[in-house]
Amino acid sequence: GESVGLHLPTLSVQEGDNSIINCAYSNSASDYFIWYKQESGKGPQFIIDIRSNMDKRQGQRVTVLLNKTVKHLSLQIAATQPGDSAVYFCAENLYSGGGADGLTFGKGTHLIIQP
Amino acid sequence: EADIYQTPRYLVIGTGKKITLECSQTMGHDKMYWYQQDPGMELHLIHYSYGVNSTEKGDLSSESTVSRIRTEHFPLTLESARPSHTSQYLCASSDGGAPNTEAFFGQGTRLTVV
Repeated sequence: GESVGLHLPTLSVQEGDNSIINCAYSNSASDYFIWYKQESGKGPQFIIDIRSNMDKRQGQRVTVLLNKTVKHLSLQIAATQPGDSAVYFCAENLYSGGGADGLTFGKGTHLIIQP
Repeated sequence: EADIYQTPRYLVIGTGKKITLECSQTMGHDKMYWYQQDPGMELHLIHYSYGVNSTEKGDLSSESTVSRIRTEHFPLTLESARPSHTSQYLCASSDGGAPNTEAFFGQGTRLTVV
């Protein structure tokens, strides 16, 4: 079946550097993508989303890029801080009336911040 | 911070016991979901609901059952727990009236069946 996957299980970056977490998706019909952050012992927390009619969206210190040609999604975190340490999941949604019933999650990338 | 709550946070229980994981949200969301997640792995949808008296099975087959008698409450029940049920269970909700909105997750229940 269709799936969303992440390229790297672990990403280690120096504090203050920029982080880039990548994701490849396989369903070309997906029209909504979300990045979630999950800290240890907590549920996933929404970071940023992007619709398929956009190729870039910026939030506070985060930017999501969508390349529909190669079905690639990335999350950029500027000036990485210790509090950014978490597992990051990308998820795609094939619109079926909203909400998360169509969300497919990737395996997650564990972002480790080096002091 | 999302207003969705799960209890208990941690549960260790013996094989064969019946358990119910509680999930409540105060956001008035129509849609609610249960996901199962092994450590460091992706989330798998096991149940969802579009509203009161609506329950559907998700992508991952599960021996658990759910009910939706009230909008704010979506409990998950295992009639006879087994060690293979050991996992983290995450409840989520979303605004069913808006297209493509994010799901809000609870803190999760970490279940261990011994």
